[in-house]
Amino acid sequence: EPEVTQTPSHQVTQMGQEVILRCVPISNHLYFYWYRQILGQKVEFLVSFYNNEISEKSEIFDDQFSVERPDGSNFTLKIRSTKLEDSAMYFCASNSRGPSEQYFGPGTRLTVT
Amino acid sequence: GQQVMQIPQYQHVQEGEDFTTYCNSSTTLSNIQWYKQRPGGHPVFLIQLVKSGEVKKQKRLTFQFGEAKKNSSLHITATQTTDVGTYFCAGHSGGYQKVTFGTGTKLQVIP
Repeated sequence: EPEVTQTPSHQVTQMGQEVILRCVPISNHLYFYWYRQILGQKVEFLVSFYNNEISEKSEIFDDQFSVERPDGSNFTLKIRSTKLEDSAMYFCASNSRGPSEQYFGPGTRLTVT
Repeated sequence: GQQVMQIPQYQHVQEGEDFTTYCNSSTTLSNIQWYKQRPGGHPVFLIQLVKSGEVKKQKRLTFQFGEAKKNSSLHITATQTTDVGTYFCAGHSGGYQKVTFGTGTKLQVIP
């Protein structure tokens, strides 16, 4: 069964550094999402991406964040200058029908020190 | 903005007991989805409800969407240790792309 994959599984970075989190969505999916989950808390929407552009973003997704689909398979989340409060689990998700069932990747745990 | 709350936040049950989590949205929803997240894992899609008053069953799990499409519930009959995890509802309101996750209910099953 096809799965969403994410790399790395764990990223440790120093405050102020740039990080790129990578995702390979399921191949025939058209809608792509990034979520974050601070330990023990709920899953928070960051951004949705469709037809090579951002379709919606949350107030969390400020100018420090950007997304890109550089080729036909990868979907990346870049945080330009990380802050301590960016420490969280970041999940990528994809689907074929927009705001319906989401297929999540295993996540990248980002630790900012 | 849209808020989706769940109660209870935590629930400990003895194996074999039933469990219910309730989900309430501040706005009318186009659809509602339910996810299960095992400890250390990622959310896994369980089901989507679309119609007002809809009831769907998956083995021991029963999902309900309220008549006003602002609330939903998940009921598990005769819990098993494999049911342990956090259950999230996630609502979508028309006109938006995003899905708003609820606050989650963490279920612990005591063998």
